[in-house]
Amino acid sequence: AQSVSQHNHHVILSEAASLELGCNYSYGGTVNLFWYVQYPGQHLQLLLKYFSGDPLVKGIKGFEAEFIKSKFSFNLRKPSVQWSDTAEYFCAVKRTDDYKLSFGAGTTVTVRA
Amino acid sequence: GAVVSQHPSWVICKSGTSVKIECRSLDFQATTMFWYRQFPKQSLMLMATSNEGSKATYEQGVEKDKFLINHASLTLSTLTVTSAHPEDSSFYICSARGLAGATYEQYFGPGTRLTVT
Repeated sequence: AQSVSQHNHHVILSEAASLELGCNYSYGGTVNLFWYVQYPGQHLQLLLKYFSGDPLVKGIKGFEAEFIKSKFSFNLRKPSVQWSDTAEYFCAVKRTDDYKLSFGAGTTVTVRA
Repeated sequence: GAVVSQHPSWVICKSGTSVKIECRSLDFQATTMFWYRQFPKQSLMLMATSNEGSKATYEQGVEKDKFLINHASLTLSTLTVTSAHPEDSSFYICSARGLAGATYEQYFGPGTRLTVT
């Protein structure tokens, strides 16, 4: 089974700072990649996804992620965070021949006003 | 569109009793639903895949007789925690697989907080 690693457990930054969250996976085959966000007290929401094509994917709320196949990575970025971006962020990977999602451990992002 | 609901949102039960959690896809049909368990400050762990009209597929280490899953219709899957114990206290999240344009996605419910006393 594939594994998903998120490098940062907790990130604290100030408003307007740039954010980058790392995600690596271990499966050698073809995958679909996702970033989800979980705001306090709310359900998981999809930020963005990569299935094929342009490896730079733009999602909602100003987030983007870049798939680097050679590095098995799918890092999430946002140039300028807001207080409202305070949340838990999860990277997830799905093999293209399967339905199941494998999640990383999550990164807690705290944005200070 | 693509809304998934769960009921109840939280439940407290006594040790030894059973609890049923419902997961509904409100505006789409889902032949496949998933049940996850999330511990505090940890990731989602897939417990089982629920397929409409057939038996659920459980992940390794998940007790089938303890976590009963039924997917009787294209919009409803239920998870019953039987003979609950305090260690079963957790946040249970379901998702439903639905079409998003030309691809399939999982749409997540808001979760159910189970506390076993």
